[in-house]
Amino acid sequence: AQSVTQLDSHVSVSEGTPVLLRCNYSSSYSPSLFWYVQHPNKGLQLLLKYTSAATLVKGINGFEAEFKKSETSFHLTKPSAHMSDAAEYFCVVSSLTDSWGKLQFGAGTQVVVTP
Amino acid sequence: SQTIHQWPATLVQPVGSPLSLECTVEGTSNPNLYWYRQAAGRGLQLLFYSVGIGQISSEVPQNLSASRPQDRQFILSSKKLLLSDSGFYLCAWSLTGKHQPQHFGDGTRLSIL
Repeated sequence: AQSVTQLDSHVSVSEGTPVLLRCNYSSSYSPSLFWYVQHPNKGLQLLLKYTSAATLVKGINGFEAEFKKSETSFHLTKPSAHMSDAAEYFCVVSSLTDSWGKLQFGAGTQVVVTP
Repeated sequence: SQTIHQWPATLVQPVGSPLSLECTVEGTSNPNLYWYRQAAGRGLQLLFYSVGIGQISSEVPQNLSASRPQDRQFILSSKKLLLSDSGFYLCAWSLTGKHQPQHFGDGTRLSIL
């Protein structure tokens, strides 16, 4: 079975400083992994996805994530936080046992950006 | 490009009343469709998924039901709402096959009084 753990429930950063959101996964096979962002009272927006191609994945809004198989990690980073990055972020792994694509969501990391 | 529409955006209903939330997808054919609930301070819970017209699978037993009368239409219903049905309901679609990302609508905030 696949699972994902987001190591921080809350992260606070100053505007203009780097953002690091940590995610570890558990999978018996090479997983597909995603990061989503959710702004208040909005749906989830796909930031980026890893599907066994390049291990460094670039996404929208300046975010990127690196797949590290040896560490079973898929951490999300951004060099310089913007006020609009304040939101909740979800790390997600795709199930390999369901043909229809069940996703396992992490518990989420709430990001606060201070001026 | 593909788009997903959910309505209404907010809904306040009394206990015991019926419910109908609608979701439609444009720009793709035969998508997989999903209904999730997100309770306050908690993660996403998959309620139903559908891989085709009339094909509905339920992930958790509950007071809700889902239907897919057309290829790109997904409806979430209840005959009698409970207080515990309050939450944020999200519809999503994906292409068929494994490892496809899901794309979410803007959600419906449901409050039960």
